[in-house]
Amino acid sequence: DAKTTQPTSMDCAEGRAANLPCNHSTISGNEYVYWYRQIHSQGPQYIIHGLKNNETNEMASLIITEDRKSSTLILPHATLRDTAVYYCISGRDGGSQGNLIFGKGTKLSVKP
Amino acid sequence: GAVVSQHPSWVICKSGTSVKIECRSLDFQATTMFWYRQFPKQSLMLMATSNEGSKATYEQGVEKDKFLINHASLTLSTLTVTSAHPEDSSFYICSAFGVASYEQYFGPGTRLTVT
Repeated sequence: DAKTTQPTSMDCAEGRAANLPCNHSTISGNEYVYWYRQIHSQGPQYIIHGLKNNETNEMASLIITEDRKSSTLILPHATLRDTAVYYCISGRDGGSQGNLIFGKGTKLSVKP
Repeated sequence: GAVVSQHPSWVICKSGTSVKIECRSLDFQATTMFWYRQFPKQSLMLMATSNEGSKATYEQGVEKDKFLINHASLTLSTLTVTSAHPEDSSFYICSAFGVASYEQYFGPGTRLTVT
């Protein structure tokens, strides 16, 4: 079973920030938080990852709580092309040991 | 970023036949690749870990004699679905790690339909 929990679905208005929450209360000290997204009928796409500090890249920002039990992925200006299923995953070494377990994710619908 | 390709992108086959799906890392070498399966409206399920030059490691419940994996080179892994049945119809996705080990690159997936 996935070690994270996410809301099943969310809506966001185009141009507004999309804030996607994730709970990972059982995350261990050496596990990272990874975010991937999957646009319909395509392979997943890496977005961002973090250990305990907040992270930002050209796609998104990742805010991790101090106790590391939850995090939020922020898409600052959502576009229609951001409509996808977003997966929050906890794991070691980027999943190089095959330990990336995908949960059901959050289906984000960006509306005009 | 690194690119992983899959071929074919979709395939329809008759029940009882075998189908081979290729996964290639186009601009990097991948000692380890992963094969996932995704049924409609469900999440990705890891099937097996493909190791270059050695036998694949299968997840519990995945039949290794039915899903044959060969990792012949550092840029190619193949998944052969043998004696396919309609219940094997699914979206098969491979992945590999790029130079930075934290980023797993996924292929575009192969849609298999068994009639």
